[in-house]
Amino acid sequence: DQQVKQNSPSLSVQEGRISILNCDYTNSMFDYFLWYKKYPAEGPTFLISISSIKDKNEDGRFTVFLNKSAKHLSLHIVPSQPGDSAVYFCAASVDSYGGSQGNLIFGKGTKLSVKP
Amino acid sequence: ETGVTQSPTHLIKTRGQQVTLRCSSQSGHNTVSWYQQALGQGPQFIFQYYREEENGRGNFPPRFSGLQFPNYSSELNVNALELDDSALYLCASSLAGTDTDTQYFGPGTRLTVL
Repeated sequence: DQQVKQNSPSLSVQEGRISILNCDYTNSMFDYFLWYKKYPAEGPTFLISISSIKDKNEDGRFTVFLNKSAKHLSLHIVPSQPGDSAVYFCAASVDSYGGSQGNLIFGKGTKLSVKP
Repeated sequence: ETGVTQSPTHLIKTRGQQVTLRCSSQSGHNTVSWYQQALGQGPQFIFQYYREEENGRGNFPPRFSGLQFPNYSSELNVNALELDDSALYLCASSLAGTDTDTQYFGPGTRLTVL
């Protein structure tokens, strides 16, 4: 049973427009969420995270929104650039001050294509 | 600051053999986590090591084992390889004990079992 779901395997967006990637989760114990970007032949690169005590976190062109009641988070990329084309993974964990963030549960990923 | 490195990049083994994969943590990090990523899937947590002790384990059989060394580098050992073990193996390091113990991943080792 998938605890973290990314229901869109792929997304295509025009350069300069907004990209919105979605993620749903089922485990109400999750209280820390992350987005990673992955290029082919590379490991996942950390993008942005959000704690469950917040509903929004922003870093440059990237904003993550968390709706706890809906168990839903989304990543907004504005404006989208061709270099953003990659697979984006949503991940969740039960945050533990002390290093037990190890058990990250990942979604299957969404492949984003940004067209010039 | 040195990032997470893994070796080898690629590896081909036959069923029943044993394999050792290696990971060097990002400098200053004390925790290493290992993940298996099968084709078309997200990474799956195997286990985590903190200060040379196993600090959590996912749903993987005992033939998956690990070590962390005093310099915080780590090994993943897999015995009695099966065809389904073919995957990308990712190592991630982090600094436990902080409020931002984000995990940073290495490039991975691609294991093919024939």
